[in-house]
Amino acid sequence: KNEVEQSPQNLTAQEGEFITINCSYSVGISALHWLQQHPGGGIVSLFMLSSGKKKHGRLIATINIQEKHSSLHITASHPRDSAVYICAALHYGGSQGNLIFGKGTKLSVKP
Amino acid sequence: DAEITQSPRHKITETGRQVTLACHQTWNHNNMFWYRQDLGHGLRLIHYSYGVHDTNKGEVSDGYSVSRSNTEDLPLTLESAASSQTSVYFCASSEITVTEQFFGPGTRLTVL
Repeated sequence: KNEVEQSPQNLTAQEGEFITINCSYSVGISALHWLQQHPGGGIVSLFMLSSGKKKHGRLIATINIQEKHSSLHITASHPRDSAVYICAALHYGGSQGNLIFGKGTKLSVKP
Repeated sequence: DAEITQSPRHKITETGRQVTLACHQTWNHNNMFWYRQDLGHGLRLIHYSYGVHDTNKGEVSDGYSVSRSNTEDLPLTLESAASSQTSVYFCASSEITVTEQFFGPGTRLTVL
């Protein structure tokens, strides 16, 4: 079992829909990182959060430390939101560096 | 503006050759990381550094080496390239351990 699981793997939505991407993790973490990878391959940091909720424009990220679960929401989705969204657990300590990555959720927003 | 760059962006090489991928950041970040991204695996950590002269092995370090002689650069060397090392390589940096990581544009490496 992967230490960081994302669902769904693939998601197709119509423009304007509310999107939710889920991330569950089994390791102890100090924070959770949400990343966006564009079709061209570049990776952009969206959020890093350790509790509660963060909002940036139409993007909202929440985390529940007790339940080891985080969600990324996109309100009023737009075709330019089409990308792969990756969550990564910041595993504090240990000898393997920091981030443990999920395999990503591929989002396609149709006009 | 501060940034993180990688070069080359695309590289084709032959099995057995030594290859070095460059990563340069102007954030003045202490931490730097190398990842590879393959279909079905997501991003996997190759090596990382928490400061000058510090290097550590990640999950998939076999066949790779790094050195950190200054804050700005962490070159990744493939000692003897193998076809299994065909991948997209990303460099990233962060200020300290618990802050977000910023990623370079990636290098697509093909080993024939």
